Amino acid sequence: GAVVSQHPSRVICKSGTSVKIECRSLDFQATTMFWYRQFPKQSLMLMATSNEGSKATYEQGVEKDKFLINHASLTLSTLTVTSAHPEDSSFYICSASIDPWGTEAFFGQGTRLTVV
Amino acid sequence: GIQVEQSPPDLILQEGANSTLRCNFSDSVNNLQWFHQNPWGQLINLFYIPSGTKQNGRLSATTVATERYSLLYISSSQTTDSGVYFCVGETNAGKSTFGDGTTLTVKP
Repeated sequence: GAVVSQHPSRVICKSGTSVKIECRSLDFQATTMFWYRQFPKQSLMLMATSNEGSKATYEQGVEKDKFLINHASLTLSTLTVTSAHPEDSSFYICSASIDPWGTEAFFGQGTRLTVV
Repeated sequence: GIQVEQSPPDLILQEGANSTLRCNFSDSVNNLQWFHQNPWGQLINLFYIPSGTKQNGRLSATTVATERYSLLYISSSQTTDSGVYFCVGETNAGKSTFGDGTTLTVKP
């Protein structure tokens, strides 16, 4: 089946630094990828839609300058958490579909970010 | 956007018991998936089930799209079944909306 790989799986960074998370579709091309965030003991919430070759679309309440998304190729989207603060600590996960109009979504393994 | 409601929010079972988890969605969804989130946070894909019934070992799922609900059945539960189960509805253009999850605890 289709595979979405996310890296790193776990990262600890200092306040004020930036962290980049990669999401790759290994065996299919994804013109659209999605980024989700999960707070402890809560569900996953959509943060933004990453569009290959164009700007990302952010959900209401998500700071686009804080969470920079780049979808430079059909197999790679990156999420950069800029000037990270402890409140940015969370579990981040990406997804992609082979065909966004009617097939299942494949999720990356997730990245647990801890900002100290 | 659509709302995805899961019930029950928490479930405690004795090993060997059966259970049914339910997912209701407020509007039509293109696709429905069930996931088990393991202790490390990874989402394990259980079923991709926009409609109909599927079975995989001790697990089975049924989606009645016309009535906007899906059920996940766990039979002969084991302690390794513990974790959070999410129902995920996918709308047009691939966006996924997660339910709040059911936290399952299976006691030995």
